[in-house]
Amino acid sequence: GAVVSQHPSWVICKSGTSVKIECRSLDFQATTMFWYRQFPKQSLMLMATSNEGSKATYEQGVEKDKFLINHASLTLSTLTVTSAHPEDSSFYICSAGQGTRSTDTQYFGPGTRLTVL
Amino acid sequence: KQEVTQIPAALSVPEGENLVLNCSFTDSAIYNLQWFRQDPGKGLTSLLLIQSSQREQTSGRLNASLDKSSGRSTLYIAASQPGDSATYLCAAPPNDYKLSFGAGTTVTVRA
Repeated sequence: GAVVSQHPSWVICKSGTSVKIECRSLDFQATTMFWYRQFPKQSLMLMATSNEGSKATYEQGVEKDKFLINHASLTLSTLTVTSAHPEDSSFYICSAGQGTRSTDTQYFGPGTRLTVL
Repeated sequence: KQEVTQIPAALSVPEGENLVLNCSFTDSAIYNLQWFRQDPGKGLTSLLLIQSSQREQTSGRLNASLDKSSGRSTLYIAASQPGDSATYLCAAPPNDYKLSFGAGTTVTVRA
């Protein structure tokens, strides 16, 4: 079956540093990758949609200069949280799909827990 | 803006009992309705997807119904097992672009 991995699975960093999270589709080529954020006991919120070779599309209210997304290939997308602050602490989940819409079948990664001290 | 609500937020049942999980949404013009499972600290696993033209979808012990006119979907899990303990999320995208998730129902099945 389709497998999506994320690395790292958890990360702790100091305030002001930048953190990069990788999302890889292991056995298929992903036309589109999606990045979500989830706070405890809350819904997943879509942050941005990335397509290979083009700029990411950010949801309203998401700072594109803070959350840098690069979709370098059909199997790899990265999310960089720049100048992280404690309020950026959250669970970040990526998903990958072979279509261009988030409602096409998506395969989710296991998530990355970010804690900013 | 699509609002998705899942009630109850948490549910605890003895093993063998049937589970009924509810999902309601405000915009009935949905593209499809999806149910996911999330284990603690993990990503999502897709369980069932109901197209907007369908009324229900079944997979093994799982059955999901969809009533667009009333803005509701129900996930039934028959003969629950401790391995069914997880958080169940529904998503009701109002267009072909964004998955709108509920906050989930956390299920505990007691052995």
